[in-house]
Amino acid sequence: NAGVMQNPRHLVRRRGQEARLRCSPMKGHSHVYWYRQLPEEGLKFMVYLQKENIIDESGMPKERFSAEFPKEGPSILRIQQVVRGDSAAYFCASSPGRVTEAFFGQGTRLTVV
Amino acid sequence: AQKVTQAQTEISVVEKEDVTLDCVYETRDTTYYLFWYKQPPSGELVFLIRRNSFDEQNEISGRYSWNFQKSTSSFNFTITASQVVDSAVYFCALSVSGGTSYGKLTFGQGTILTVHP
Repeated sequence: NAGVMQNPRHLVRRRGQEARLRCSPMKGHSHVYWYRQLPEEGLKFMVYLQKENIIDESGMPKERFSAEFPKEGPSILRIQQVVRGDSAAYFCASSPGRVTEAFFGQGTRLTVV
Repeated sequence: AQKVTQAQTEISVVEKEDVTLDCVYETRDTTYYLFWYKQPPSGELVFLIRRNSFDEQNEISGRYSWNFQKSTSSFNFTITASQVVDSAVYFCALSVSGGTSYGKLTFGQGTILTVHP
């Protein structure tokens, strides 16, 4: 059973470009969580999705950030018009449902230049 | 709201020493889960343990042990006979079982552990 797959592992974007981060959950997992780790900071929750639904987006910035988890395909975290402050490691975690153990991907390290 | 505090920002030890990483949590929920994750220099997050709020039994796994005390809202992590490979950032985290917070992890700030040879 493959683990949570995130790609790309490293992403470099110029200011103003769009960043698209992908997360394929573990097989059988229908719950996905995105977290952001800013330099010198801990991990902060961004958004919680189930298939085709956003359950909790309380940690996501109101502008420029969006997330989706379509019926088919990976979950996508999209950052429009990136700024230097978006440079961080973005982690995705998945769980099979009514359990609380989430398995993390290896993260995507976004660098905005 | 939930909160996790790891008061130790950095700890430095010499190999073979024992080291304890502290974690204190706050929640009003009666059902919750506590976690420890390890983040080695390579950057991935490695799951170490999960405990639920109804199980205060301490756990030992090899050189790792965890002490959960509800009375002090603490979930401390001890590494016995530390090794250089234990060098990493360690995160304590909390999740509750209710509502839209289900499964959402609240992390502490992390403790950077450096084990010197």
